[in-house]
Amino acid sequence: DGGITQSPKYLFRKEGQNVTLSCEQNLNHDAMYWYRQDPGQGLRLIYYSQIVNDFQKGDIAEGYSVSREKKESFPLTVTSAQKNPTAFYLCASSIGSRVYGYTFGSGTRLTVV
Amino acid sequence: AQTVTQSQPEMSVQEAETVTLSCTYDTSESDYYLFWYKQPPSRQMILVIRQEAYKQQNATENRFSVNFQKAAKSFSLKISDSQLGDAAMYFCAYRSRGGTASKLTFGTGTRLQVTL
Repeated sequence: DGGITQSPKYLFRKEGQNVTLSCEQNLNHDAMYWYRQDPGQGLRLIYYSQIVNDFQKGDIAEGYSVSREKKESFPLTVTSAQKNPTAFYLCASSIGSRVYGYTFGSGTRLTVV
Repeated sequence: AQTVTQSQPEMSVQEAETVTLSCTYDTSESDYYLFWYKQPPSRQMILVIRQEAYKQQNATENRFSVNFQKAAKSFSLKISDSQLGDAAMYFCAYRSRGGTASKLTFGTGTRLQVTL
């Protein structure tokens, strides 16, 4: 079955360490997105990529980095520069036609201690 | 930039009753898409219903329907015959039809409780 896989489901890191969240899709979607979810703030866009080897900053990109070397993969690195990294992170993808919205992964809960 | 506002942080409905969740948005565009997503306790985001702005007819999916008022920039979700499985966070979202960026802009969500 086609879908988006985010791993791991739960991730714990010490403050000051970089951490990479995985996102893989086998839907043949061109566009991929990373959102951060905090209580009471909805989903906020971190980065997005509409094509391989190209990506754009979203609304809250500071302290994060991404790469898009393959169509299927869009990993997110949370760097030590991110002041408040503890959050729930959602990856999504979409086809070219915007009427269909996104397909989401099941998310990664990152806790920094 | 577009913004989406959900003014009801929490709502409650009795099983089998009807509830309406509100959403307003701000945009200068004339053509766009609107969505409602459901996020149950599993936190998996599920598309509930979508509306194309150029269509006057309100979208309907089984027990879910929308009231789309383009001039008022309002997009409410009506859930009929509420079931316990409808308990979740509901997010309203906006997507431009044109332009280079195809991102979804989300509201802050409404938590729906369903009681017996």
